[in-house]
Amino acid sequence: GENVEQHPSTLSVQEGDSAVIKCTYSDSASNYFPWYKQELGKRPQLIIDIRSNVGEKKDQRIAVTLNKTAKHFSLHITETQPEDSAVYFCAASVTNSGYALNFGKGTSLLVTP
Amino acid sequence: GAVVSQHPSWVICKSGTSVKIECRSLDFQATTMFWYRQFPKQSLMLMATSNEGSKATYEQGVEKDKFLINHASLTLSTLTVTSAHPEDSSFYICSALWSGGSEKLFFGSGTQLSVL
Repeated sequence: GENVEQHPSTLSVQEGDSAVIKCTYSDSASNYFPWYKQELGKRPQLIIDIRSNVGEKKDQRIAVTLNKTAKHFSLHITETQPEDSAVYFCAASVTNSGYALNFGKGTSLLVTP
Repeated sequence: GAVVSQHPSWVICKSGTSVKIECRSLDFQATTMFWYRQFPKQSLMLMATSNEGSKATYEQGVEKDKFLINHASLTLSTLTVTSAHPEDSSFYICSALWSGGSEKLFFGSGTQLSVL
């Protein structure tokens, strides 16, 4: 499948600070970009998603931005809390065929009190 | 959100045996399900797309004769790892496409397979 690059691989922030995770994708036909949070030993949970016809989406403390021209999208978490600590994965749809996803390698986020 | 159940949650088997993993959408119908494999501390790798009533679509490098997928109903897809070997040991996780209103993917709880 097409590559999805995700950075950083680890991120440590203090409680209350913001965290930003960035992803790039290579398939210009990708049109769906979800973000998942995975706690150790548990299933990935969808936290926010964005489609290619939208540039930004926000849900409380979480926001995602998409730059289709540059083929990159970012996750922004504001006012971080210790319970935000987890591994976050970005993903991009395999072309525009639906919901088969290519995932980034994940970012391990640690929020310290 | 919608519920996707995966069974078993973990399985240990001997090399050469076959293992079947079930993925069920409990409160919705899913014409499309996906199977992923995740190695420790790594990302999810798409293995195949499972379509109800038709053959699965496999990603490059995934052996269709080794990883048999059957999507016989709108709520059940199965992945059978045939003649399992230690290198098949991994975390297998399915997802189902929910099409109520806006489409979203929901993941099963995963199956940890250990082949001895």
